[in-house]
Amino acid sequence: QQQVKQSPQSLIVQKGGISIINCAYENTAFDYFPWYQQFPGKGPALLIAIRPDVSEKKEGRFTISFNKSAKQFSLHIMDSQPGDSATYFCAAGDNAGNMLTFGGGTRLMVKP
Amino acid sequence: DVKVTQSSRYLVKRTGEKVFLECVQDMDHENMFWYRQDPGLGLRLIYFSYDVKMKEKGDIPEGYSVSREKKERFSLILESASTNQTSMYLCASKSPNTEAFFGQGTRLTVV
Repeated sequence: QQQVKQSPQSLIVQKGGISIINCAYENTAFDYFPWYQQFPGKGPALLIAIRPDVSEKKEGRFTISFNKSAKQFSLHIMDSQPGDSATYFCAAGDNAGNMLTFGGGTRLMVKP
Repeated sequence: DVKVTQSSRYLVKRTGEKVFLECVQDMDHENMFWYRQDPGLGLRLIYFSYDVKMKEKGDIPEGYSVSREKKERFSLILESASTNQTSMYLCASKSPNTEAFFGQGTRLTVV
């Protein structure tokens, strides 16, 4: 049973466009929602994270939007660049801070 | 610079072999994890450990075991490798309420 559902599985965006990746979760005990970025041949690395006390967090071109009532959160990449081409994973963390449950991943390709 | 190091980037093993994947972290983290990564399935948790000599099953523990004799080292063991265990294996470590740090992964092929 997948507790964190991520969509789409793959995404192609033109350079300068907006990339949007969505995630939905089921467990209301989750209280930490990070996004990880993975380049080929590398392990995932933390990109940006949010806690449910805020509805939005922005870091540079990357924004997380969080909807607690709908149990959904999304990653927006503004002005997408070819260097953003990677696989993105959303995740949800338990309130003890120990576990992370990952979504299925989105393979993003930004065309020049 | 924080580091999670996996001993091998690529491994090719035969069906039935016993396989050891090693992971070492230098951040004094309490928690360590083994995931496998398959296209479309994301990262699935195999086993995790909260402390030395402690281990807990994740979502897909069948066919795997783990060992944590020292805080910095977490080993994944495939007792008898099978072709359906061909995958990318990722080790991670974290302390409570911090981000998880991942190794670069081991791509295992079982033939």
